[in-house]
Amino acid sequence: GAGVSQTPSNKVTEKGKYVELRCDPISGHTALYWYRQSLGQGPEFLIYFQGTGAADDSGLPNDRFFAVRPEGSVSTLKIQRTERGDSAVYLCASSPLAGVYNEQFFGPGTRLTVL
Amino acid sequence: ILNVEQSPQSLHVQEGDSTNFTCSFPSSNFYALHWYRWETAKSPEALFVMTLNGDEKKKGRISATLNTKEGYSYLYIKGSQPEDSATYLCASYSGAGSYQLTFGKGTKLSVIP
Repeated sequence: GAGVSQTPSNKVTEKGKYVELRCDPISGHTALYWYRQSLGQGPEFLIYFQGTGAADDSGLPNDRFFAVRPEGSVSTLKIQRTERGDSAVYLCASSPLAGVYNEQFFGPGTRLTVL
Repeated sequence: ILNVEQSPQSLHVQEGDSTNFTCSFPSSNFYALHWYRWETAKSPEALFVMTLNGDEKKKGRISATLNTKEGYSYLYIKGSQPEDSATYLCASYSGAGSYQLTFGKGTKLSVIP
């Protein structure tokens, strides 16, 4: 079956612009996670959803970052007034349910470059 | 903040060599440890989810052990092949009702044919 997909695969934008990154999880997976990997670092947690609601958004770095999952499937990560420091690979993952024992299934990521 | 450390940062081995690397994590409030493999231009892929002290898991030539009392896990690769070249990430949970994984920086393995 289809895995987690993310679009676009690459996004180049200018400082100050608005961007949206999309994640399509595996069908039927209720938990969805967003991570960000900056150069030389491991993936850093941003937010996760259980169904439509954001169960934990404590990893969002500031109020320029926002994520939604209105119908409990596709999720969009939105970044306002982008800064050069936002350049990173943004990873999305899903799992059947949120839980410490459940492996997460990752998408290939969106590489965001802010010029 | 949970601190997950991995060593070495990078590793070059010859094809056929066996190798291992380490993940260390806080031993208090331990819930689970995840290992993922991330090949270039692909998606990170789960290898193991480990929960119990003394756990040993195996998938083909790759195996992992877990020591929750001292806070470390080893990943072993027997007879490395070029297709094993990837970044190996471990991650743990902070618990406290949150399901956010904290990742280490990874070990980048290069297998030289």
